[in-house]
Amino acid sequence: SAVISQKPSRDICQRGTSLTIQCQVDSQVTMMFWYRQQPGQSLTLIATANQGSEATYESGFVIDKFPISRPNLTFSTLTVSNMSPEDSSIYLCSVRTTTNLLAKNIQYFGAGTRLSVL
Amino acid sequence: ELKVEQNPLFLSMQEGKNYTIYCNYSTTSDRLYWYRQDPGKSLESLFVLLSNGAVKQEGRLMASLDTKARLSTLHITAAVHDLSATYFCAVDMDSSYKLIFGSGTRLLVRP
Repeated sequence: SAVISQKPSRDICQRGTSLTIQCQVDSQVTMMFWYRQQPGQSLTLIATANQGSEATYESGFVIDKFPISRPNLTFSTLTVSNMSPEDSSIYLCSVRTTTNLLAKNIQYFGAGTRLSVL
Repeated sequence: ELKVEQNPLFLSMQEGKNYTIYCNYSTTSDRLYWYRQDPGKSLESLFVLLSNGAVKQEGRLMASLDTKARLSTLHITAAVHDLSATYFCAVDMDSSYKLIFGSGTRLLVRP
């Protein structure tokens, strides 16, 4: 199984600032994803982090607001830019290894970053 | 657009009772996932269902998949308080390995 470390685990930020969330995996993974979970809601996919290239964003999410980096197969960052109170959510990193026949259907989630924007 | 619908959204049940959570999805997919989330925690994988007719059981929970009906169920047998949590189903979106989640079912098991 993959062990995912997310930092920070929580933060309280001021409106208009930016926060970068880090996701570190203990093994190389094929796919890395970023999800958002608004209070009391389900999970919504923000984007797929692509190694060495621009992330693929889902409808309603844009690069200027949520820039994502993925420099290698074990690490990714998500930045929440120019924050407003509506960005208060849990942000979760998720990974999957699709090249391993036994593991390709298992998707792991990090513990999440609980963000509050004042 | 792939939609995943769960019901009920909230379920309050007494210990010892049985109940079923339903997950309907709107497109062809043969990979269905069930996760559990405790308050303030991340997601714990419960079941991965990979084919029509798949049935998996773990303790008091049993999940099944009917791809023709585009329906999965999570059955709870003789509920205990420790099962109180939010349960999510999720479906793989085409071959992209992106998971689309249902709205979640918040389960409360009362003594």
